[in-house]
Amino acid sequence: EADIYQTPRYLVIGTGKKITLECSQTMGHDKMYWYQQDPGMELHLIHYSYGVNSTEKGDLSSESTVSRIRTEHFPLTLESARPSHTSQYLCASRGQGHNSPLHFGNGTRLTVT
Amino acid sequence: GQQLNQSPQSMFIQEGEDVSMNCTSSSIFNTWLWYKQDPGEGPVLLIALYKAGELTSNGRLTAQFGITRKDSFLNISASIPSDVGIYFCAGPTNNAGNMLTFGGGTRLMVKP
Repeated sequence: EADIYQTPRYLVIGTGKKITLECSQTMGHDKMYWYQQDPGMELHLIHYSYGVNSTEKGDLSSESTVSRIRTEHFPLTLESARPSHTSQYLCASRGQGHNSPLHFGNGTRLTVT
Repeated sequence: GQQLNQSPQSMFIQEGEDVSMNCTSSSIFNTWLWYKQDPGEGPVLLIALYKAGELTSNGRLTAQFGITRKDSFLNISASIPSDVGIYFCAGPTNNAGNMLTFGGGTRLMVKP
């Protein structure tokens, strides 16, 4: 069973608020990812990191930012939330090796009113 | 970028029936992965395929890596209510295999 945790599970906030979605993994994985998923839809990569101090933007443009100061921690921040940011955000990690699988957290469902 | 097309988009079946879904791509993949996502949860890896023609089982699930390397199939035998969820195929976006692209998913509903 994968040890990757996301908090909060659910978040409802007002427009303009700054928020940080937390993601931590205890597996020592170098590679971590953030996906955005609308309900029942496909996953879109918005950020990824190959290790400490490494962050890159994914395929889907996002107004969020990420940081990777520690291996186990990969938080995502929205400086000023808007209703268009309403979605589910999924964090994932994987270990070394070309064939190592992607492990997902349970996601944060964000609603911006 | 690479796109994965899954079909069908949704299925509503009777408990006990067998299920078959597939995933196709316009480009070659070296790895095919099948994930299941339960409502309100993150996707969980079901089966990983690494070789063209490979047939791999995980309990009642069987997946095949197409010979052309442009498609993959997932079969579920004797479906049960807990099979309900969304099934995603995925493959590496780049040669290093560091990023995955996901299909649009097949939503499975099982009637008891």
